[in-house]
Amino acid sequence: GQNIDQPTEMTATEGAIVQINCTYQTSGFNGLFWYQQHAGEAPTFLSYNVLDGLEEKGRFSSFLSRSKGYSYLLLKELQMKDSASYLCALQGMDSNYQLIWGAGTKLIIKP
Amino acid sequence: SQTIHQWPATLVQPVGSPLSLECTVEGTSNPNLYWYRQAAGRGLQLLFYSVGIGQISSEVPQNLSASRPQDRQFILSSKKLLLSDSGFYLCAWKAGRMNTEAFFGQGTRLTVV
Repeated sequence: GQNIDQPTEMTATEGAIVQINCTYQTSGFNGLFWYQQHAGEAPTFLSYNVLDGLEEKGRFSSFLSRSKGYSYLLLKELQMKDSASYLCALQGMDSNYQLIWGAGTKLIIKP
Repeated sequence: SQTIHQWPATLVQPVGSPLSLECTVEGTSNPNLYWYRQAAGRGLQLLFYSVGIGQISSEVPQNLSASRPQDRQFILSSKKLLLSDSGFYLCAWKAGRMNTEAFFGQGTRLTVV
């Protein structure tokens, strides 16, 4: 089976940097995705990693280490609008390419 | 460009009443389609997925059913709602190949009273 763990909640200060970790136990996966979800809204895609290493997209970066079984999402220059939940998801190896979701990390940004 | 429509946005239904939530996708063909439920402060629970017309896979035994009468239409139904069916329902589509992201509809907030 597959298991994905994320911290339930984190707090950070506007303008700062925060790292949200995602650890997983799985026999294999194709890629790892990060989504942002504001309260009461649908998740929106942020980034994904297939190979080990860092993927940078503006203020957001995502890192993957398959050998260590973890990923993180790095948010720089935090803004109040970054207050949201951040969901980590693995794309499984099955032929239907389903995503297996973590419970998400609620990020609270304080002024 | 591709778009996904899900409606209604909010719904309040009495216990025992039927349910029909609809989701349609535009701008793509033969998408993989998904219905998720999300309890407050929790992750996404996959309810059903479909890789083609008339093909429905159920992930969790429950009071709900799904149908895909057309390539880009996915419907979530119930004959008799339970209080425990309350939640945030999300429809999503994804291309049927590796490492492509899923796109979500706006979601439906269902409250069973």
